[in-house]
Formats: sequence, structure tokens, C-alpha cells
Amino acid sequence: GENVEQHPSTLSVQEGDSAVIKCTYSDSASNYFPWYKQELGKRPQLIIDIRSNVGEKKDQRIAVTLNKTAKHFSLHITETQPEDSAVYFCAAHVSAGGTSYGKLTFGQGTILTVHP
Amino acid sequence: GEEVAQTPKHLVRGEGQKAKLYCAPIKGHSYVFWYQQVLKNEFKFLISFQNENVFDETGMPKERFSAKCLPNSPCSLEIQATKLEDSAVYFCASSRRKMNTEAFFGQGTRLTVV
Repeated sequence: GENVEQHPSTLSVQEGDSAVIKCTYSDSASNYFPWYKQELGKRPQLIIDIRSNVGEKKDQRIAVTLNKTAKHFSLHITETQPEDSAVYFCAAHVSAGGTSYGKLTFGQGTILTVHP
Repeated sequence: GEEVAQTPKHLVRGEGQKAKLYCAPIKGHSYVFWYQQVLKNEFKFLISFQNENVFDETGMPKERFSAKCLPNSPCSLEIQATKLEDSAVYFCASSRRKMNTEAFFGQGTRLTVV
């Protein structure tokens, strides 16, 4: 089945700096890669996603890049703000075939702290 | 509704008691997923449904866990004879389709087994 590795487990930055979180996946059939932000005691919320037919996607201060050959994808947050502090999860999804079909396989999470 | 609704928000059970959690998916969403999030934050997939049919149950500890999605009723996840290690937040998510589509999560049910 799919395995997703996420690094780093914790990330501390100063307000205004950039933050980068990286994930690798094992199943080459994975073709949808969402990123979720989870604040303490809250539900995970989708912040950006990318499909395997594109290499990069941007939404204001957030961008995601995907390298299918190397099977890794990254989340980039620019001009970080204290309200960006949360746990971020990457995930991979296989939509056709494979043993991971239909479900999300999550990375281990990154605790991002943005210091004012 | 426009949100995945999970009840109860908190549930405390003595070891060996039964726990039952409920999830109402977003109207029009055909797929329901249950995930267990333990203290280290990691999400473990439990089971998924396509409407009332089990789609993938590879993550379910079959001895004590069961789940249903019946027509016109909230989906449910039941744990018989709870153990201390079942303490976790259980999230339900729903999606419109199974392919390349956003999964919307409920607020979760925090189960504490004492």
C-alpha cells in the first residue's frame, strides 16, 4: 500500500519568513495530493491540492510543487504570519487501481510555529 | 447539510464498554471515510463507504470495530469492549466522488477510554 513520509516534524520560523514542508510517497499510482491544515482541537481543512497532471499550483501565499518522477511534493508558504501556526499534513490518494484506492494516506504531520 | 456533522463531540467510556460514534456526511456526497487520529497526530484509515456499501475496510480492527452507513440515517462507527488504546479522535470525512476530489472532514469525536 501507499506510504507517505513527511519532513520536518517541527518547523519554527519568524514572521515574514518562508516555510517549506516536504513529502515523499511510494505508490506511483497516486495522482492526487492534498495538503491539510489542522489547528489545535479542530478538524483538518484543505488548504491546497495538486493533481498529477500539473507540476505546480499557487494560491496567494501558498504553493505546492509535485515531482512525479522523484515521487515527492512540497508545500511552500511565503510571508508567514502567526495565524499560519498549526499542524500541516500532506496526503496522497490513488484514484484508480492499487491497494490504496479511494482513501487518503497521510504524512506524519509538521508542527509549524510562526513567531511574531 | 453543508458540513460533515459528527456526534458526540466527546465520549468517555470505561474500559470494556461500548462506544458508538455518528457521522452525517454532506448532502450529495456518496463517499464516507473514517480515520483515527491518535496522540502523535497520525491519521489511520479505518473504513470507507460508497453510499451504504463498504468500499474499503482494510484499516478496521475487525474483532471489536464495526461500521454502517444505512439509507436515511447517519453513518456509525461502533467499538465493542473498548480498550485504553482506542482513545483517540475519530474523524469522519465525505467526498462527492472517490477520484481526485476534496474530502471534507467533520469536527471529530474525541473518545477517551478510562
